[in-house]
Order: sequence, then C-alpha cells, then structure tokens
Amino acid sequence: QSVLTQPPSVSEAPRQRVTISCSGSSSNIGNNAVNWYQQLPGKAPKLLIYYDDLLPSGVSDRFSGSKSGTSASLAISGLQSEDEADYYCAAWDDSLNGYVFGTGTKVTVL
Amino acid sequence: QVQLQESGPGLVKPSETLSLTCAVSGYSISSGYYWGWIRQPPGKGLEWIGSIYHSGSTYYNPSLKSRVTISVDTSKNQFSLKLSSVTAADTAVYYCARQFTWSDAFDIWGQGTMVTVSS
Repeated sequence: QSVLTQPPSVSEAPRQRVTISCSGSSSNIGNNAVNWYQQLPGKAPKLLIYYDDLLPSGVSDRFSGSKSGTSASLAISGLQSEDEADYYCAAWDDSLNGYVFGTGTKVTVL
Repeated sequence: QVQLQESGPGLVKPSETLSLTCAVSGYSISSGYYWGWIRQPPGKGLEWIGSIYHSGSTYYNPSLKSRVTISVDTSKNQFSLKLSSVTAADTAVYYCARQFTWSDAFDIWGQGTMVTVSS
C-alpha cells in the first residue's frame, strides 16, 4: 500500500470542477515537491503538474495543483469527456528513500 | 522531439532475469537528466523501480534494490534494466522515462512494454 493516499474514484458532470486529494506525511509531501500524472486508458502516464503547481508546456490550464502541509490537490475545471482517466500524485519520500506514487484516482465524467 | 522506446522479451520464466532496454532519440543521454524505470502490474498502480544518471549514479527502490540493476550506454544512447529472480508478482507493464533529477518528476515516458512471468 502506498504512503500517498488518494480517493479511489471521483465523478462529476461535464463543465463542472473536480478536486482530487493526495494525503501524505512530513517525509514526502511535507518536505518535497508533488507531481501529478494523468493516465488515459491503455496509455502511458503523462506529466500534468510538477513542483506542486507548475504546468508543463502543452498542458491545459484547466488543470491546477496546490499543496498545504502534508496534503496536495489536483483540480480539473471545465470537466470534459477526454479527462476521463486515472490520476496519480507522486513525490520523493525521505524515509523510504524512494520516489512514491499515490494510490490513484479514477475520474469519471457523468 | 524526445522519444523513448522500450524493448525486450515479453515472456520471462520464474527465477530468471528480466532484461529491458530503453532507446532514447531526440536527446543525448550524456547531456543531462536522469533516466528511470517504472512498472505497473495489470489493473494496479505505478511503482518506481529506479533511476540512473549518465555518469552511472543510480537510485533504486529499496524494496527491489537487491534484485535490480540499471545501467547506461551513452555510446548507444540507451539505458537498461535487469531484474533478477523474477516471480509472477513481477508481471507488469514496464515504462522507461526521463526524470528532472533523481527525486523529481518524470516528464517524458515511453509507451511501455508488457512483461509476463510464467513458465
């Protein structure tokens, strides 16, 4: 079981906003940068957010990241059917001495 | 544009060694960045295996460290993964990816290759 906990699933109607939480500890989120990845069905993961809240070139600004203490969040605004995917948070863990991924959240657009 | 492509056997027998290679195009490994391996068992989440710098410095997942070797061949612009003493639990899609630094984000990923451990 991962040290970064996410809700298994979230769902919302098109054009609405969803938020995915990622709960960790002082050894990971509390002390290191959080990254978010989107994995479309059958595809490789894609970097969505890095260094807590930065968007890589080409990523829609409908995605945003934030962090507070030992928790982080990914928000998707103006939800679209193409956003249906699995989303993973990730960070370095100083105690485990390794890069850890969250448990993953499946986003469904109703 | 930078592209990564995994290659290797799709079927490995239990107790044997899994070997994969990641060919990098559009960027010289010697120019910088770290290069890593991540895997995903069927229907499950992502697991970091380890990362390497062009100098050969490596960082491994402590839970896999005793069985993992990652190496780099700058002349061929590729890096490789060896995982020894495999079991059915090592069945997964294996991805290679480029990493900002050894503890940071993976910004470019290969398409992944499925490896099944079975006799």
